[in-house]
Amino acid sequence: GAVVSQHPSWVICKSGTSVKIECRSLDFQATTMFWYRQFPKQSLMLMATSNEGSKATYEQGVEKDKFLINHASLTLSTLTVTSAHPEDSSFYICSALTGDRGKVYYEQFFGPGTRLTVL
Amino acid sequence: SQQGEEDPQALSIQEGENATMNCSYKTSINNLQWYRQNSGRGLVHLILIRSNEREKHSGRLRVTLDTSKKSSSLLITASRAADTASYFCAPSSGSRLTFGEGTQLTVNP
Repeated sequence: GAVVSQHPSWVICKSGTSVKIECRSLDFQATTMFWYRQFPKQSLMLMATSNEGSKATYEQGVEKDKFLINHASLTLSTLTVTSAHPEDSSFYICSALTGDRGKVYYEQFFGPGTRLTVL
Repeated sequence: SQQGEEDPQALSIQEGENATMNCSYKTSINNLQWYRQNSGRGLVHLILIRSNEREKHSGRLRVTLDTSKKSSSLLITASRAADTASYFCAPSSGSRLTFGEGTQLTVNP
């Protein structure tokens, strides 16, 4: 149980194009999903919190017009990197929360990640 | 910041030995979670310990939590080559997790 998938697992695109990454919770409903990015040999950096049916909450320094997040259903959140540039090349990882908002303790389950390379 | 800081940054041991990694944090928490990441992959949830717990076991893993010292440790007993990975702690007071740089564990066959 608690499986999270991401698609695609890797993508190569030209500078200036937009790329959409999907994050799905396969066997549970996730009211909240998170998006992280990770540079080589570095930690995960939280980019935004995605809540089903409402606007995403972005971390300081993350451009919301650059990284569009949509959480249209309880099992799907998408991250669109708009007008991608080489500096956007990174490993993007999503996670999904189990449990309802009434729970105090949460476990996050992570997707396998998406490797984005912008040429 | 709730970000955990892992120590050491890197650890290299022989198969069969125990590996101990430490985590320190600065704010109050409800729980602390440990994750493993194999190179180029997503994170795998290992164990969650609540603030009112002092020790928790899961298979070869033992986690301790000392809220008075704001620290936690992860012990992997009888390590295997397959345990080679980066390990991250994530102290939390809600749903947001922030990660430190992690400990890179290498288990040599």
